[in-house]
Amino acid sequence: GIQVEQSPPDLILQEGANSTLRCNFSDSVNNLQWFHQNPWGQLINLFYIPSGTKQNGRLSATTVATERYSLLYISSSQTTDSGVYFCAAQGAQKLVFGQGTRLTINP
Amino acid sequence: GAVVSQHPSRVICKSGTSVKIECRSLDFQATTMFWYRQFPKQSLMLMATSNEGSKATYEQGVEKDKFLINHASLTLSTLTVTSAHPEDSSFYICSARDTGRGFYEQYFGPGTRLTVT
Repeated sequence: GIQVEQSPPDLILQEGANSTLRCNFSDSVNNLQWFHQNPWGQLINLFYIPSGTKQNGRLSATTVATERYSLLYISSSQTTDSGVYFCAAQGAQKLVFGQGTRLTINP
Repeated sequence: GAVVSQHPSRVICKSGTSVKIECRSLDFQATTMFWYRQFPKQSLMLMATSNEGSKATYEQGVEKDKFLINHASLTLSTLTVTSAHPEDSSFYICSARDTGRGFYEQYFGPGTRLTVT
């Protein structure tokens, strides 16, 4: 099945900084999603992006399907952006999650 | 739109008892729902895929007699943990795919934290 790798595993930044999270996947995808898991465990859908580029406020994402990677950009980070960010990819079968990037934004 | 609810959000039960968790799609129909488990500081692992009106498909290593799944309608799937033991303590999360949209995007519920004492 498809394999998903996220980097970096941990990222610590000051408020106001920009960040880039990367997701590599091993096969062609029908689905690529980015999530933010809040402190209560809820997965918040950020982007459904099997290809192309999308933007939503301070967040944007790009998936280059031919090169099998996706990037999540967070600009002007706020402390509320802290948490774990997951990438999940689905090829022909099930949605597979990466191990996540733990982002800490310090005031 | 695309809201998935779970009930209960938190449950504590004694070893040997059974616990039922409900997953509902509130504003869309879902032919297919999914159940995941997440241990502390780990990623989500798919346990089973639930299809309305048919038997669930379990991932390798998941005991289907312990984790009973019923998907009786297009908006409701249930997971019953039978004869629960402390090692079943975990965070259980369901998700659903909007049948009407034809996309692969999945929407996730808020999760149920199970503690078995």
